[in-house]
Amino acid sequence: QVQLVQSGAEVKKPGSSVKVSCKASGGTFSSYTISWVRQAPGQGLEWMGRIIPILGIANYAQKFQGRVTITADKSTSTAYMELSSLRSEDTAVYYCARDSSHYYDSSGYPGHLWGQGTMVTVSS
Amino acid sequence: EIVLTQSPGTLSLSPGERATLSCRASQSVSSSYLAWYQQKPGQAPRLLIYGASSRATGIPDRFSGSGSGTDFTLTISRLEPEDFAVYYCQQYGSSPNTFGQGTRLEIK
Repeated sequence: QVQLVQSGAEVKKPGSSVKVSCKASGGTFSSYTISWVRQAPGQGLEWMGRIIPILGIANYAQKFQGRVTITADKSTSTAYMELSSLRSEDTAVYYCARDSSHYYDSSGYPGHLWGQGTMVTVSS
Repeated sequence: EIVLTQSPGTLSLSPGERATLSCRASQSVSSSYLAWYQQKPGQAPRLLIYGASSRATGIPDRFSGSGSGTDFTLTISRLEPEDFAVYYCQQYGSSPNTFGQGTRLEIK
């Protein structure tokens, strides 16, 4: 049974960076798109970006361009989301999610499998 | 960027009733690449519907999706107590894969 297991909660100072990991266990990883989605307290879901690990190609929501970097390590089946220049508004739960099928399958869809979420708190 | 607008913001219904949730896109969603999620407090979202009308694995048949172009609907035919939650739509036909702001389904 494939699972996505995320790293633990983080508390960061304004202006610093955070790197959240998402490890896939029990199945293949590299040819599935991994997306990152965040949710501020009491707010809705916000798509941040995604990566296709086998291609090393990532794309990002315009809002986060220049501040977010999504990477993947195929050897450990782990995806990473790094957010820099943190501010209080970045306080949120950050989720990774995997597509249903290989990146080249047009019948695939996102959100098939989710990590448990990582709480990131930005506070001075 | 495609903006998704969900309505109503909050829906108050009783168990056994029918729920109809709307998701309207600012431009056409290609190939009906529209998904619906359910989220309960403290939990990750759960995929209900993909491709506008296909139920995800294990989703009860009281959940159904319809629509195309810019107008989409999630219908819950007979509400069960466990269905009271927040529902989001997401388009994945173009980047960024935007979400709607959510509809809260509460017990009346």
